[in-house]
Amino acid sequence: ETGVTQSPTHLIKTRGQQVTLRCSSQSGHNTVSWYQQALGQGPQFIFQYYREEENGRGNFPPRFSGLQFPNYSSELNVNALELDDSALYLCASSECDRADTEAFFGQGTRLTVV
Amino acid sequence: GESVGLHLPTLSVQEGDNSIINCAYSNSASDYFIWYKQESGKGPQFIIDIRSNMDKRQGQRVTVLLNKTVKHLSLQIAATQPGDSAVYFCAENRRPNDYKLSFGAGTTVTVRA
Repeated sequence: ETGVTQSPTHLIKTRGQQVTLRCSSQSGHNTVSWYQQALGQGPQFIFQYYREEENGRGNFPPRFSGLQFPNYSSELNVNALELDDSALYLCASSECDRADTEAFFGQGTRLTVV
Repeated sequence: GESVGLHLPTLSVQEGDNSIINCAYSNSASDYFIWYKQESGKGPQFIIDIRSNMDKRQGQRVTVLLNKTVKHLSLQIAATQPGDSAVYFCAENRRPNDYKLSFGAGTTVTVRA
């Protein structure tokens, strides 16, 4: 177990709806990164939050947004869901202020858009 | 755009043999590389990493080789075991601790008994 927990584990939504996914980072970690993993593909970087601020964003539209809370847990919000948003959403927590640390991934949330 | 990619999508290996998984990258600014293992229904699990100022790093039963001249990365697994069956990804980063990773598509390793 990595200490990174994501909820829910599975979710089914209808096209056009909005969804919120949650991630609790590992104790002591101040950075959360979110990734989208389509079936049979590698994870794609969505964005990263460091000390409650967005700290870099991948090639995803603005309807993908996020938050990080004072306890460093994080949310990923997706508005106006599209069928192509169906994927495994992963969060990874890390401690970017220290050298030689690694990121730990959660189990992911499987989102299906119908 | 620049990306990290793996040479082969699948690899079948006999239990006890050594496995070699390859990865090509094209971003010359990449400074840090990581290999991850992902089992079905789980998130990626860190295996080993290497910085661009190194060409080899060893862990327990695993070795990563980095050839910056041809932008090639490989993961060697010694004495492959059934528990090594998984999808393996290489990922690259601009610098350690940044963790805005670019992943390849993955290689599925199947270990034959």
